[in-house]
Amino acid sequence: EVQLVQSGAEVKKPGESLKLSCKASGYTFTSYWIGWVRQMPGKGLEWMGIISPVDSKTIYSPSFQGQVTLSVDKSITTAYLQRSSLRASDTGIYYCARLTGTDVFDIWGQGTLVAVSS
Amino acid sequence: QSVLTQSPSASGTLGQRVTISCAGSRSNIADNNVVWYQQLPGTAPKLLIYRINQRPSGIPDRFAGSKSGASASLAIRGLQSEDEADYYCAAWDDSLNGWVFGGGTKLTVL
Repeated sequence: EVQLVQSGAEVKKPGESLKLSCKASGYTFTSYWIGWVRQMPGKGLEWMGIISPVDSKTIYSPSFQGQVTLSVDKSITTAYLQRSSLRASDTGIYYCARLTGTDVFDIWGQGTLVAVSS
Repeated sequence: QSVLTQSPSASGTLGQRVTISCAGSRSNIADNNVVWYQQLPGTAPKLLIYRINQRPSGIPDRFAGSKSGASASLAIRGLQSEDEADYYCAAWDDSLNGWVFGGGTKLTVL
């Protein structure tokens, strides 16, 4: 079964750092880019960026450029999203998703809830 | 403020046909493929329609997508209670060099 399994919920304080993981299985990891999408509480979906598992090439949304860092570890078929200096406005659910073709996120992780509060 | 514009809510009764619209521009919907995602309460988004009107395996043909110019629509016929969800349109945007989403439409089945 093709699936993306994300790391568990995080509770952080402002100023702390975050590293979320997204473990892929059931397909050839290097054949598909991985994307990240944020959903703030009660809000819609925001595309953050994508990363190639082949060469770690990244494309970031202008809204998140410089705010997050995407990475992968091919040896364990896992993608990561890092964010430092967290703020309350970073609270939300973060999804990873597999990108197929040029425009479709076809498989999604279950999401990781991040709560940032003092 | 989402780049793609969707009505915040829609509703229909069991068995009815409903349409959800998504308005964009030349840089996104007009010149690129449109995708629709369904998000059931408390779950991750799920691919519903891709390349304007294609359905992934397992998606019933009650769901149909279309596009006209810079606007797209998702039609759901034979509305069922399990269709109650948030629906998001999405497309690549050539100007922003990235994917853009609509704000989502919450569908209520009466």
